Parts: sequence; C-alpha cells; structure tokens
Amino acid sequence: SQTIHQWPATLVQPVGSPLSLECTVEGTSNPNLYWYRQAAGRGLQLLFYSVGIGQISSEVPQNLSASRPQDRQFILSSKKLLLSDSGFYLCAWSAIRRTELAKNIQYFGAGTRLSVL
Amino acid sequence: AQTVTQSQPEMSVQEAETVTLSCTYDTSESDYYLFWYKQPPSRQMILVIRQEAYKQQNATENRFSVNFQKAAKSFSLKISDSQLGDAAMYFCAYIDSNYQLIWGAGTKLIIKP
Repeated sequence: SQTIHQWPATLVQPVGSPLSLECTVEGTSNPNLYWYRQAAGRGLQLLFYSVGIGQISSEVPQNLSASRPQDRQFILSSKKLLLSDSGFYLCAWSAIRRTELAKNIQYFGAGTRLSVL
Repeated sequence: AQTVTQSQPEMSVQEAETVTLSCTYDTSESDYYLFWYKQPPSRQMILVIRQEAYKQQNATENRFSVNFQKAAKSFSLKISDSQLGDAAMYFCAYIDSNYQLIWGAGTKLIIKP
C-alpha cells in the first residue's frame, strides 16, 4: 500500500532563517506531488505541484521554492523565512492517469505546522 | 475561473442526527469530479466521498452521501447518524482539467453529545 511521510510535524523558526520541509511517498511510482499551505481556519492554497523529477509548477509567487530531486521526494524550501510564511503545510500525492481522471484522488501527509517568530 | 463556495462557516448537530453541508461551484466544463475531504483536529486531510459529474446517481459511503445537482452546480454532503468522531472541518473540492484541486473555504462541523 502507498504511504506518504512528511516531516517535521512542527517547526519554530526565526524570521530570516532557511527552511526545508521534506515529503516522501512509498509504494507507488511517478506520482504527482503537491505542496499546500493552510492558514488558520482557512482552506488550502496550492503552492507547488510536480508531475515528474525536476518538473515544478508554481501557483503562487513568493519566497518559497520546491524541488523534486527523486521520483518520490518533494522538498519545500526557503532561503529567508518571513512572518507571513507561518501556517500549516500539507504535502499530497496522486496517481495521475490522464485517461482516468477519476483516479486522481489526492492523499495527504500529516502536515507540518510552521511558526515563524 | 472555477470556484468552490461553502457558505456555512460552522454547523452543529446533535449526536445521532443528520446534518447537511452545502457546497456550490462554478465551472464551464461538462465532465469533472467533486470531492468532500474531512480534516479532524489532527489536521490530516482525509477523503470522505467523491462524485463523478457524468454520473447521475448520487455517491454514498456508509453514513455519508451527496446530493449532486449538476444543473444547479450544487454538491451537498449529508451525514446520517452523526457521531462524535465526525467533528472536523469539511472541505468541498473540485478538480479542474489540469488535475488541480480547487478548494472551498471549509465548514466546521460540531457534534453535540
């Protein structure tokens, strides 16, 4: 069965410090991978998605970046965190089959709560 | 542009009773998919139910069912026999032709014992 791991679960970082959140998927190959941010009491905002190694699409311009160095690894980074980067970050994966849109259910990791102080 | 609207920021229901969460969406596409996700206090996002737009029959999953009205672009979630474990944020989502999920703002469901 497929599993998705996301860490750390919580993180407190000072303003201006770097960030690295990691997400890995097991039990599948060539997944679509997603990074979302959720502000307190709000819905999800798609930040990045990737359809393959080295292929990153950005939905929201900001000081965050994403990388996919391996097929099942997705990393969210920042060189200098801002206060506004605080939030709950969720990684997700889906098994995309372009002729089977119904299969594109997204499965989520446990999330990382980031507090920038 | 596609949008998803959940007009109820918060709903409460007595345990064992039935509650309906509303969701409307806007799209120009004819074939698409809709989802309800649940986010309990643990914050992990869990798929509750999905509906394929070309199917007229409403999807059901145990105590969860949807009322899908394609012409009205409405996709409500009915939870029967509410249980304390159903307390969570519920998000309605639509998947667009680029396979991206468009999310509603969520409805907080409170279960009264």
